[in-house]
Amino acid sequence: KNQVEQSPQSLIILEGKNCTLQCNYTVSPFSNLRWYKQDTGRGPVSLTIMTFSENTKSNGRYTATLDADTKQSSLHITASQLSDSASYICVVSAENAGNMLTFGGGTRLMVKP
Amino acid sequence: NAGVMQNPRHLVRRRGQEARLRCSPMKGHSHVYWYRQLPEEGLKFMVYLQKENIIDESGMPKERFSAEFPKEGPSILRIQQVVRGDSAAYFCASSPVTGTGGSAGANVLTFGAGSRLTVL
Repeated sequence: KNQVEQSPQSLIILEGKNCTLQCNYTVSPFSNLRWYKQDTGRGPVSLTIMTFSENTKSNGRYTATLDADTKQSSLHITASQLSDSASYICVVSAENAGNMLTFGGGTRLMVKP
Repeated sequence: NAGVMQNPRHLVRRRGQEARLRCSPMKGHSHVYWYRQLPEEGLKFMVYLQKENIIDESGMPKERFSAEFPKEGPSILRIQQVVRGDSAAYFCASSPVTGTGGSAGANVLTFGAGSRLTVL
C-alpha cells in the first residue's frame, strides 16, 4: 500500500531559526515528490517538485532534498518568518499512475516572534 | 488567469439537506480532483474526473456522494442528506492533460481555496 509519513506532526520555532521537516514514503514505483504549503483556511500551494534524479531543489528559503534509495525527503526552512506558519504537506506520485497522488498528513509549523 | 475557483467558500446546511459544491478548473486544465479535509487532518482523495468521465472514485463514500464534470460548466460535488460528519473543507484541484513516463509535469496540481461545509 502506498503511504507517506511525515514528521514531526507539529513544530514550534522562534522567528529567524531554521527547521527541517521529514517525509518517508513507500510509494512505488516512484515518479516524483512535491512539497506543498497550506496556510490556515487556504488551499495547498506547491513549493517544490523533484523527480528521482534530483537530490535537492530550492525555492527561496525553502530547500527540499530527496534520497530515492532510502525513500526519504526533507524540507529545510532557513531564517524562518512568521508567514512560514502553515502546514507543510509531502505528496508522492507513482510512475504510470496518471495524476494519482498519495498525501502525507502534514507537519504543522508555528513560527513565534 | 483566475486559478481554480471554488464556490461557495462557506456553506451551512441542516442535517438531511443537500450540499452542492462547485469547482471551475484553471483555463486549459481538463482534469479535476476533489479532496476532503477534516479538521486537524490531512487531505483525503475523493474522486478524479475528466470532462464527462469519472476516472477514479475510489475515495468517494459509497452512498450520498456523487461528482460530475460536464462538458460545459464547472465540476460539481454533490452530497445528499448531509450528516454532521460531512462537515469538512472540500478542496478541488485541477491539472492539464496527463503526461506519460512519469513526467513531473503530469502532476502539476493547482488547488482552489476550498469550500467549507458546516452541517448543523
